[in-house]
Amino acid sequence: AQKITQTQPGMFVQEKEAVTLDCTYDTSDPSYGLFWYKQPSSGEMIFLIYQGSYDQQNATEGRYSLNFQKARKSANLVISASQLGDSAMYFCAMREDNAGNNRKLIWGLGTSLAVNP
Amino acid sequence: DSGVTQTPKHLITATGQRVTLRCSPRSGDLSVYWYQQSLDQGLQFLIQYYNGEERAKGNILERFSAQQFPDLHSELNLSSLELGDSALYFCASSPGGEGRNGYTFGSGTRLTVV
Repeated sequence: AQKITQTQPGMFVQEKEAVTLDCTYDTSDPSYGLFWYKQPSSGEMIFLIYQGSYDQQNATEGRYSLNFQKARKSANLVISASQLGDSAMYFCAMREDNAGNNRKLIWGLGTSLAVNP
Repeated sequence: DSGVTQTPKHLITATGQRVTLRCSPRSGDLSVYWYQQSLDQGLQFLIQYYNGEERAKGNILERFSAQQFPDLHSELNLSSLELGDSALYFCASSPGGEGRNGYTFGSGTRLTVV
């Protein structure tokens, strides 16, 4: 069954350092998409980055990059040069492309990131 | 502002009551998704509508129902509320064919059942 695993409930990082948030997934669908979202304490869900299963290059969006290792079924988020405003919950999510009409996202339990000054 | 509008932002109600949560999708988006985020279950998919029709159902209780109207806004109705229904309810929208920026989330409705 499809599943997303985020093994780090909480992480700490010093301001200006890089941090990697882990995500592994399980699916039998050859076509899928992987997403990372940020949820600050205010509650909104903010899209960060997307990786398609057939994308040849790892996705990058500004300070965010996705370390996609397809054979290992991992899609780790790397945040470079951490800022205090990066303190938030981070969710990894997956969409399977051959699930008929259903385009729902399957979510991990999240990682709470705290950036220390 | 993400372009997806959810109202109300906060809702406090008593057990046994009925509430309606409203979502206006981003302009041009035809799909609306409802998710429930609770402390014990995390984020769970409830239901999806596409251009007025129900497209997929997830872990939605029978006490819950939803619809999407001709103007594409959607409402999630929660009835016979229980303490365990307290959660953050998100609406997300997408154009239809999900891709790199396929899902836009609203800011959520925080429901507290007392």
